[in-house]
Amino acid sequence: DIVMTQSPDSLAVSLGERATINCKSSQSVLYSSNNKNYLAWYQQKPGQPPKLLIYWASTRESGVPDRFSGSGSGTEFTLTISSLQAEDVAVYYCQQYFGPLTFGGGTKVEIK
Amino acid sequence: QVTLKESGPVLVNPTETLTLTCSVSGFSLSNTGLGVGWFRQPPGKALEWLAHIFSNDEKSYSASLKSRLTISKDTSKSQVVLTMTNMDPVDTATYYCARIIKTGTFRGYFNYWGQGTLVTVSS
Repeated sequence: DIVMTQSPDSLAVSLGERATINCKSSQSVLYSSNNKNYLAWYQQKPGQPPKLLIYWASTRESGVPDRFSGSGSGTEFTLTISSLQAEDVAVYYCQQYFGPLTFGGGTKVEIK
Repeated sequence: QVTLKESGPVLVNPTETLTLTCSVSGFSLSNTGLGVGWFRQPPGKALEWLAHIFSNDEKSYSASLKSRLTISKDTSKSQVVLTMTNMDPVDTATYYCARIIKTGTFRGYFNYWGQGTLVTVSS
């Protein structure tokens, strides 16, 4: 199975500052025939189920604020929150759907 | 409006079989390109995918739990059922179901989630 490794495990960012979360896959999740990266990002706030933020590595789900963006290709991906808001405190997970589904271990984002 | 709701026992004895039901509304389990998956999350730990099933009855299971899991659907009832055999205290977790968008054979991402149900395994 493809192993997804997220870093850091946690980070504390001041309100209004940028938060960057990394996700690395043990093999490429880029499908050459359609040039799409089979990667999604989810947000899980305390006591709530996960919520889809990004799919195809960079496509924002409907209703997700544009301060959230996804980038990267192949084996290295990034979720960026351009200006952290209080409501963004959560654990963030990456997931690949190139092979049998696997998730990263999560990154906890807190306010500094 | 798409909704998913998990139901099942709150408490399970060790060695017993867990049966969870996901009742969906706002979409049909016969819709091409859609399906339902199951996850679990032990308290304070990361999310773990368990299994999913598509409208064409295509099923996929976590390799580490495959021998213990069975997923099925009843399209007429809008329900997806997951059974997990030989439950152990380490299986104590919140169990979620979620709608999957099919992106390829056995693959996809999840765009709607239920609120989850906490299952405790203890005698």
